[in-house]
Amino acid sequence: SQTIHQWPATLVQPVGSPLSLECTVEGTSNPNLYWYRQAAGRGLQLLFYSIGIDQISSEVPQNLSASRPQDRQFILSSKKLLLSDSGFYLCAWSRSGTSNQPQHFGDGTRLSIL
Amino acid sequence: AQSVTQLDSHVSVSEGTPVLLRCNYSSSYSPSLFWYVQHPNKGLQLLLKYTSAATLVKGINGFEAEFKKSETSFHLTKPSAHMSDAAEYFCVAYNYGQNFVFGPGTRLSVLP
Repeated sequence: SQTIHQWPATLVQPVGSPLSLECTVEGTSNPNLYWYRQAAGRGLQLLFYSIGIDQISSEVPQNLSASRPQDRQFILSSKKLLLSDSGFYLCAWSRSGTSNQPQHFGDGTRLSIL
Repeated sequence: AQSVTQLDSHVSVSEGTPVLLRCNYSSSYSPSLFWYVQHPNKGLQLLLKYTSAATLVKGINGFEAEFKKSETSFHLTKPSAHMSDAAEYFCVAYNYGQNFVFGPGTRLSVLP
């Protein structure tokens, strides 16, 4: 069966510090991968999605970047965090090449910027 | 462009009474539709999915949803609410070649 791992679960960082959040998927190959941010009491905002290694699309201009160094690894990064980067970050995967398969989510990372 | 509307930002029910969470979608094509549940500080868990087979879809934890093309709706129901159902619920639409479109979410409170 497929599993998705996301870490760390919580993170407290000072303003201006760098960020690296990691997400890995097991049990499938060539998944579509996604990063979402969820502000407190709000819906999900798509940040990045990837259909393959080094194929990443950004949905909104921001202080963040994403990389996919391996087929099942998706990394969210920042060189200098802003207060507005606080939130709950969710990684998800879906099966590629199909029209009716859902996304599957990791447990999320709660990021607090001080 | 696709869009998903969840008409109620907050629904409150008593334990043991029925649950109805409303979802309407706008799409040029018949989309795949999903309902997810999110408990506090957790990821989203898939409850059920509609993929153009049966219009009445049964999911986990006693939830079900009915796809009504004429009403462009995909409402989520449960006959009897349980305290553990208190959470945020998201309706999601997907068409091949496009991104998943999320509704804004409905917070379900279950009163004892």
